[in-house]
Amino acid sequence: DAGVTQSPTHLIKTRGQQVTLRCSPKSGHDTVSWYQQALGQGPQFIFQYYEEEERQRGNFPDRFSGHQFPNYSSELNVNALLLGDSALYLCASSLGGEPSTDTQYFGPGTRLTVL
Amino acid sequence: AQKITQTQPGMFVQEKEAVTLDCTYDTSDPSYGLFWYKQPSSGEMIFLIYQGSYDQQNATEGRYSLNFQKARKSANLVISASQLGDSAMYFCAMREGPLSGYSTLTFGKGTMLLVSP
Repeated sequence: DAGVTQSPTHLIKTRGQQVTLRCSPKSGHDTVSWYQQALGQGPQFIFQYYEEEERQRGNFPDRFSGHQFPNYSSELNVNALLLGDSALYLCASSLGGEPSTDTQYFGPGTRLTVL
Repeated sequence: AQKITQTQPGMFVQEKEAVTLDCTYDTSDPSYGLFWYKQPSSGEMIFLIYQGSYDQQNATEGRYSLNFQKARKSANLVISASQLGDSAMYFCAMREGPLSGYSTLTFGKGTMLLVSP
């Protein structure tokens, strides 16, 4: 049973550039959530996708956008990168047809460094 | 106010001993879920245990148990018989219920656990 996968593992960009991170959910899951984890902090919720639409969004600027594909995989895009965007980006998948007690399972993360 | 508070930045325990990691939460929602995740240095968040706000019994999963005290709004993780592989960062998280629009997970700042031989 394949777990959540993310690519790439590491990424180095410069300020002002754009980046795309990718996530494939755990088999059978249809909901993908993205989190940003700065060094020494807990993850912060960015947004959640279900049925190819953004269902919930955290307190992140519009520079952060996403997409979910029909196969439930998802992308996170960040435009006009800032130094403060350097973080570990975690993707989590769950089964979320309705709000439920279902558990979110996380991928290994993509470590983004902005120079 | 912080929704999830983990007051122990770091904890040390000897192998085979039990350890308790503290977590307190704040919500006015009557329905919520509490989670514990483990994050090794590799970065992946590993789900450990879940407790629902209406669950009568404390959750257990192998060597992990959750000491849920609803009136005190605490959800402490107990690891019995610690192993060297338990050394990692541990995060408490909460998902609130209908009054909060079934929010997604809110995490604490974590506790670093080091297990010594």
